[in-house]
Amino acid sequence: NAGVTQTPKFQVLKTGQSMTLQCAQDMNHEYMSWYRQDPGMGLRLIHYSVGAGITDQGEVPNGYNVSRSTTEDFPLRLLSAAPSQTSVYFCASSPGSVVGETQYFGPGTRLLVL
Amino acid sequence: RKEVEQDPGPFNVPEGATVAFNCTYSNSASQSFFWYRQDCRKEPKLLMSVYSSGNEDGRFTAQLNRASQYISLLIRDSKLSDSATYLCAVTRFNAGNMLTFGGGTRLMVKP
Repeated sequence: NAGVTQTPKFQVLKTGQSMTLQCAQDMNHEYMSWYRQDPGMGLRLIHYSVGAGITDQGEVPNGYNVSRSTTEDFPLRLLSAAPSQTSVYFCASSPGSVVGETQYFGPGTRLLVL
Repeated sequence: RKEVEQDPGPFNVPEGATVAFNCTYSNSASQSFFWYRQDCRKEPKLLMSVYSSGNEDGRFTAQLNRASQYISLLIRDSKLSDSATYLCAVTRFNAGNMLTFGGGTRLMVKP
């Protein structure tokens, strides 16, 4: 199993550009999520999904859209990039709703918005 | 007040030392607790879950104090390879097992 994969690894955008960060998992996990991590800070939840067709907002959802058309994929779209979105983005997945299950993280996408 | 708080450190300790980190959380309804390890520029990886009765995994011991709303991590016999950032995380009560993270505590183990 590849686990959780993310593409691209690095991206530079200009202010106002849009792009999609890709996330895929091959573990048949129901739950998937996106976090961002800024320097010296922990991870903050952007959006999450508890199954195909179901998404919800996390702590910092503004400026981002998600959709979940399949169990495997959970792309994150930046609608109009801003310098404040410069960050490292981590996608994660977990098996389901059992309390105490942890999450498995992808390797991250480093995004720089100029 | 942040929902999950940690001392950012860094904690500089010699090899072989014992070091302890604490993490406080504000939401008394938090259900599950974890310690993650994050190496520089890498993704977080689960170190251990934290159970109410306390649990141990080799040189690592985790404790949960629900009354005072904190979790702790004790590392015995520190190794150079333990140098990393340690993140505590709690599940968000109304967000499907998603995690709220502390800012992390940086540990540097010196020869």
